[in-house]
Amino acid sequence: QQKVQQSPESLIVPEGAMTSLNCTFSDSASQYFAWYRQHSGKAPKALMSIFSNGEKEEGRFTIHLNKASLHFSLHIRDSQPSDSALYLCAVGTGGYKVVFGSGTRLLVSP
Amino acid sequence: GGIITQTPKFLIGQEGQKLTLKCQQNFNHDTMYWYRQDSGKGLRLIYYSITENDLQKGDLSEGYDASREKKSSFSLTVTSAQKNEMAVFLCASSPWTGEVTEVFFGKGTRLTVV
Repeated sequence: QQKVQQSPESLIVPEGAMTSLNCTFSDSASQYFAWYRQHSGKAPKALMSIFSNGEKEEGRFTIHLNKASLHFSLHIRDSQPSDSALYLCAVGTGGYKVVFGSGTRLLVSP
Repeated sequence: GGIITQTPKFLIGQEGQKLTLKCQQNFNHDTMYWYRQDSGKGLRLIYYSITENDLQKGDLSEGYDASREKKSSFSLTVTSAQKNEMAVFLCASSPWTGEVTEVFFGKGTRLTVV
Protein backbone atom coordinates (compact mmCIF):
# COMPACT_ATOMS: atom_id res chain seq x y z
CA GLN A 1 0.00 0.00 0.00
CA GLN A 2 1.47 3.30 -1.14
CA LYS A 3 2.42 5.69 1.68
CA VAL A 4 2.90 9.34 0.77
CA GLN A 5 4.15 11.75 3.42
CA GLN A 6 4.82 15.48 3.29
CA SER A 7 7.00 17.77 5.35
CA PRO A 8 6.81 20.21 6.91
CA GLU A 9 3.16 20.32 7.98
CA SER A 10 3.18 24.11 7.85
CA LEU A 11 5.59 26.82 6.89
CA ILE A 12 5.81 30.60 7.19
CA VAL A 13 8.29 32.41 4.93
CA PRO A 14 8.86 36.12 4.21
CA GLU A 15 8.01 37.51 0.80
CA GLY A 16 10.90 37.04 -1.62
CA ALA A 17 12.32 33.98 0.16
CA MET A 18 12.91 30.50 -1.29
CA THR A 19 10.36 27.90 -0.16
CA SER A 20 11.14 24.17 -0.14
CA LEU A 21 8.49 21.47 0.29
CA ASN A 22 9.18 17.74 0.58
CA CYS A 23 7.35 14.54 -0.29
CA THR A 24 8.37 10.92 0.32
CA PHE A 25 6.68 7.83 -1.11
CA SER A 26 7.00 4.11 -0.43
CA ASP A 27 6.38 2.37 -3.78
CA SER A 28 9.50 2.40 -5.97
CA ALA A 29 7.36 1.44 -9.01
CA SER A 30 5.56 4.81 -8.90
CA GLN A 31 5.52 6.68 -12.19
CA TYR A 32 3.71 10.00 -11.72
CA PHE A 33 4.94 12.66 -9.32
CA ALA A 34 3.15 15.97 -9.05
CA TRP A 35 2.43 18.97 -6.89
CA TYR A 36 -1.06 20.44 -6.54
CA ARG A 37 -2.03 23.74 -4.95
CA GLN A 38 -5.29 24.44 -3.14
CA HIS A 39 -6.28 27.96 -2.18
CA SER A 40 -8.72 28.31 0.70
CA GLY A 41 -12.23 27.24 -0.28
CA LYS A 42 -11.17 26.17 -3.77
CA ALA A 43 -10.53 22.87 -5.54
CA PRO A 44 -6.95 21.54 -5.79
CA LYS A 45 -5.27 22.38 -9.07
CA ALA A 46 -2.18 20.81 -10.66
CA LEU A 47 0.96 22.94 -10.44
CA MET A 48 3.56 20.75 -12.13
CA SER A 49 4.56 17.14 -12.59
CA ILE A 50 7.59 15.01 -13.40
CA PHE A 51 7.97 11.43 -14.59
CA SER A 52 11.72 10.70 -14.55
CA ASN A 53 14.64 11.49 -12.25
CA GLY A 54 15.98 15.00 -12.35
CA GLU A 55 14.68 18.55 -12.26
CA LYS A 56 12.04 20.51 -14.12
CA GLU A 57 11.63 24.27 -13.90
CA GLU A 58 8.55 26.32 -14.78
CA GLY A 59 8.86 30.00 -13.93
CA ARG A 60 9.49 30.38 -10.20
CA PHE A 61 8.72 26.71 -9.51
CA THR A 62 11.16 23.78 -9.66
CA ILE A 63 10.34 20.13 -9.05
CA HIS A 64 13.12 17.69 -8.22
CA LEU A 65 12.73 13.90 -8.23
CA ASN A 66 15.08 11.24 -6.81
CA LYS A 67 13.41 7.85 -7.26
CA ALA A 68 16.24 5.96 -5.52
CA SER A 69 15.64 8.04 -2.39
CA LEU A 70 11.84 7.78 -2.80
CA HIS A 71 11.73 11.56 -2.54
CA PHE A 72 10.64 14.56 -4.55
CA SER A 73 10.44 18.24 -3.73
CA LEU A 74 9.00 21.57 -4.84
CA HIS A 75 11.02 24.77 -4.64
CA ILE A 76 9.43 28.19 -5.02
CA ARG A 77 11.81 31.02 -5.82
CA ASP A 78 10.88 34.60 -4.80
CA SER A 79 7.81 33.48 -2.83
CA GLN A 80 4.78 35.78 -3.09
CA PRO A 81 1.79 36.28 -0.75
CA SER A 82 -0.37 34.85 -3.55
CA ASP A 83 1.57 31.57 -3.16
CA SER A 84 -0.03 31.12 0.28
CA ALA A 85 -2.07 27.91 0.02
CA LEU A 86 -2.20 24.22 0.90
CA TYR A 87 0.34 22.28 -1.21
CA LEU A 88 -0.41 18.61 -1.91
CA CYS A 89 2.02 16.14 -3.42
CA ALA A 90 0.58 13.33 -5.54
CA VAL A 91 2.05 9.99 -6.57
CA GLY A 92 0.67 7.74 -9.30
CA THR A 93 1.11 3.99 -9.08
CA GLY A 94 -0.10 1.19 -11.31
CA GLY A 95 -1.21 3.57 -14.01
CA TYR A 96 -4.47 4.84 -12.57
CA LYS A 97 -4.26 5.08 -8.78
CA VAL A 98 -3.20 8.52 -7.54
CA VAL A 99 -2.45 8.95 -3.84
CA PHE A 100 -2.04 12.38 -2.23
CA GLY A 101 -0.03 13.43 0.80
CA SER A 102 -1.34 15.09 3.94
CA GLY A 103 -0.46 18.59 2.74
CA THR A 104 1.84 21.47 3.67
CA ARG A 105 0.19 24.77 4.56
CA LEU A 106 2.33 27.65 3.28
CA LEU A 107 1.96 31.25 4.44
CA VAL A 108 4.05 33.92 2.71
CA SER A 109 4.13 37.04 4.84
CA PRO A 110 4.38 40.45 3.11
CA GLY B 1 -11.95 22.50 -21.54
CA GLY B 2 -14.44 20.75 -19.33
CA ILE B 3 -16.02 20.82 -15.94
CA ILE B 4 -16.75 18.47 -13.05
CA THR B 5 -20.08 19.11 -11.36
CA GLN B 6 -20.76 17.76 -7.89
CA THR B 7 -24.18 17.70 -6.27
CA PRO B 8 -25.22 18.68 -3.74
CA LYS B 9 -22.74 21.36 -2.66
CA PHE B 10 -23.78 21.00 0.97
CA LEU B 11 -25.25 17.88 2.58
CA ILE B 12 -26.54 17.61 6.12
CA GLY B 13 -27.39 14.13 7.29
CA GLN B 14 -28.38 12.35 10.46
CA GLU B 15 -26.42 9.66 12.26
CA GLY B 16 -26.96 6.26 10.64
CA GLN B 17 -28.43 7.73 7.47
CA LYS B 18 -27.44 6.51 4.00
CA LEU B 19 -26.30 9.47 1.90
CA THR B 20 -25.48 9.69 -1.82
CA LEU B 21 -23.16 12.17 -3.50
CA LYS B 22 -23.17 12.63 -7.27
CA CYS B 23 -20.53 13.68 -9.78
CA GLN B 24 -20.68 14.40 -13.51
CA GLN B 25 -17.78 15.26 -15.85
CA ASN B 26 -17.83 16.44 -19.45
CA PHE B 27 -14.10 16.03 -20.12
CA ASN B 28 -14.77 12.54 -21.56
CA HIS B 29 -12.11 11.24 -19.16
CA ASP B 30 -11.82 7.49 -18.55
CA THR B 31 -10.71 7.55 -14.90
CA MET B 32 -12.71 9.04 -12.06
CA TYR B 33 -11.93 9.32 -8.35
CA TRP B 34 -13.54 10.09 -5.00
CA TYR B 35 -11.35 11.66 -2.30
CA ARG B 36 -12.17 12.76 1.23
CA GLN B 37 -10.60 15.90 2.72
CA ASP B 38 -10.88 16.60 6.46
CA SER B 39 -10.59 20.20 7.65
CA GLY B 40 -7.90 21.56 5.32
CA LYS B 41 -5.82 18.39 5.45
CA GLY B 42 -4.64 16.09 2.68
CA LEU B 43 -6.76 13.95 0.37
CA ARG B 44 -7.58 10.31 1.08
CA LEU B 45 -8.62 8.07 -1.79
CA ILE B 46 -11.96 6.33 -1.25
CA TYR B 47 -12.75 4.74 -4.63
CA TYR B 48 -11.63 5.08 -8.21
CA SER B 49 -12.88 3.75 -11.53
CA ILE B 50 -10.91 3.26 -14.72
CA THR B 51 -13.90 2.84 -17.00
CA GLU B 52 -17.68 2.47 -17.02
CA ASN B 53 -18.86 -0.23 -14.55
CA ASP B 54 -15.38 -0.62 -13.06
CA LEU B 55 -14.71 0.00 -9.33
CA GLN B 56 -11.41 -0.08 -7.44
CA LYS B 57 -11.08 0.40 -3.68
CA GLY B 58 -8.85 3.11 -2.31
CA ASP B 59 -7.33 3.26 1.15
CA LEU B 60 -10.51 4.56 2.80
CA SER B 61 -13.26 2.48 1.18
CA GLU B 62 -14.75 1.01 4.38
CA GLY B 63 -18.09 2.66 5.08
CA TYR B 64 -18.58 3.73 1.46
CA ASP B 65 -20.00 2.30 -1.76
CA ALA B 66 -19.54 3.68 -5.26
CA SER B 67 -21.18 3.29 -8.65
CA ARG B 68 -19.99 4.10 -12.21
CA GLU B 69 -22.95 3.36 -14.49
CA LYS B 70 -21.89 5.79 -17.21
CA LYS B 71 -18.50 7.08 -18.34
CA SER B 72 -19.51 10.62 -17.40
CA SER B 73 -20.85 9.95 -13.91
CA PHE B 74 -19.55 8.52 -10.65
CA SER B 75 -21.58 8.42 -7.43
CA LEU B 76 -20.51 7.79 -3.83
CA THR B 77 -22.72 6.48 -1.03
CA VAL B 78 -21.97 6.90 2.65
CA THR B 79 -23.56 3.70 3.94
CA SER B 80 -24.10 4.87 7.55
CA ALA B 81 -23.23 8.45 8.44
CA GLN B 82 -21.21 8.87 11.63
CA LYS B 83 -22.29 11.49 14.21
CA ASN B 84 -20.17 14.70 14.20
CA GLU B 85 -18.58 13.67 10.90
CA MET B 86 -17.51 16.68 8.85
CA ALA B 87 -15.56 16.48 5.63
CA VAL B 88 -15.39 17.66 2.04
CA PHE B 89 -15.74 14.98 -0.61
CA LEU B 90 -13.91 15.75 -3.85
CA CYS B 91 -14.69 14.08 -7.15
CA ALA B 92 -11.94 14.08 -9.77
CA SER B 93 -11.20 12.76 -13.23
CA SER B 94 -8.13 12.10 -15.32
CA PRO B 95 -7.50 11.31 -18.98
CA TRP B 96 -5.73 8.08 -19.81
CA THR B 97 -2.87 8.38 -22.30
CA GLY B 98 -0.92 5.34 -21.12
CA GLU B 99 -0.11 7.08 -17.86
CA VAL B 100 -1.67 9.61 -15.51
CA THR B 101 -0.96 13.16 -16.62
CA GLU B 102 -3.20 15.36 -14.51
CA VAL B 103 -6.12 15.01 -12.13
CA PHE B 104 -8.95 17.55 -12.44
CA PHE B 105 -11.18 18.26 -9.45
CA GLY B 106 -14.75 19.32 -8.82
CA LYS B 107 -15.58 21.94 -6.18
CA GLY B 108 -16.61 19.37 -3.59
CA THR B 109 -19.58 18.35 -1.46
CA ARG B 110 -19.36 19.46 2.16
CA LEU B 111 -20.89 16.86 4.48
CA THR B 112 -22.06 17.53 8.03
CA VAL B 113 -23.62 14.82 10.16
CA VAL B 114 -25.73 15.89 13.11
